[in-house]
Amino acid sequence: QAVVTQEPSLTVSPGGTVTLTCGSSTGAVTSGHYPYWFQQKPGQAPRTLIYDTSNKHSWTPARFSGSLLGGKAALTLSGAQPEDEADYYCLLSYSGAWVFGGGTKLTVL
Amino acid sequence: EVQLVQSGAEVKKPGESLKISCKGSGYSFSSYWIGWVRQMPGKGLEWMGIIYPGDSDSRYSPSFQGQVTISADKSISTAYLQWSSLKASDTAMYYCVRHAGYWGQGTLVTVSS
Repeated sequence: QAVVTQEPSLTVSPGGTVTLTCGSSTGAVTSGHYPYWFQQKPGQAPRTLIYDTSNKHSWTPARFSGSLLGGKAALTLSGAQPEDEADYYCLLSYSGAWVFGGGTKLTVL
Repeated sequence: EVQLVQSGAEVKKPGESLKISCKGSGYSFSSYWIGWVRQMPGKGLEWMGIIYPGDSDSRYSPSFQGQVTISADKSISTAYLQWSSLKASDTAMYYCVRHAGYWGQGTLVTVSS
């Protein structure tokens, strides 16, 4: 089974910009992996921010965007807010077999 | 509005069986896959498996193959996750999630003697 890698932790200043990445042990992440990004706060169910690389839901704050960057999936947060402090997970599809990354703990400080 | 509503929390003993559910509404249930996700206390998200309700084709992550069964009844727009013999290590929150990232609220399963 493929291994999906994320930064264990990142810190961003309020108002700052940070990019979280999602890599694959099998090689470059492409749109064919249909990358998803989820945000999870303590005690809450995960919330989907991005699906299929860059698609947003109506509830996705405009400051979040998804892309492919340097062979990885990327989630960019522009203008971080204190409420963005959370765990972030990516999810990749390998021909219908899905694998989560280990998650990134984002601190806004 | 797309909604996934999961069954309530369960407390079971080791060796008991269990089936939890995830009912979809607000969309064509048969048309979109539903996955099941485990989150053990204080840990990350783990993909367990997926079902395509239209034909009930199900696929499992290697870690969960043979440990659980995923099924669906499209006549009542409901997907299921079941265990035949629970272990204490099955204690976790379980989520269903639909294509495009619509989540259920989670079902807490506690297995303790």
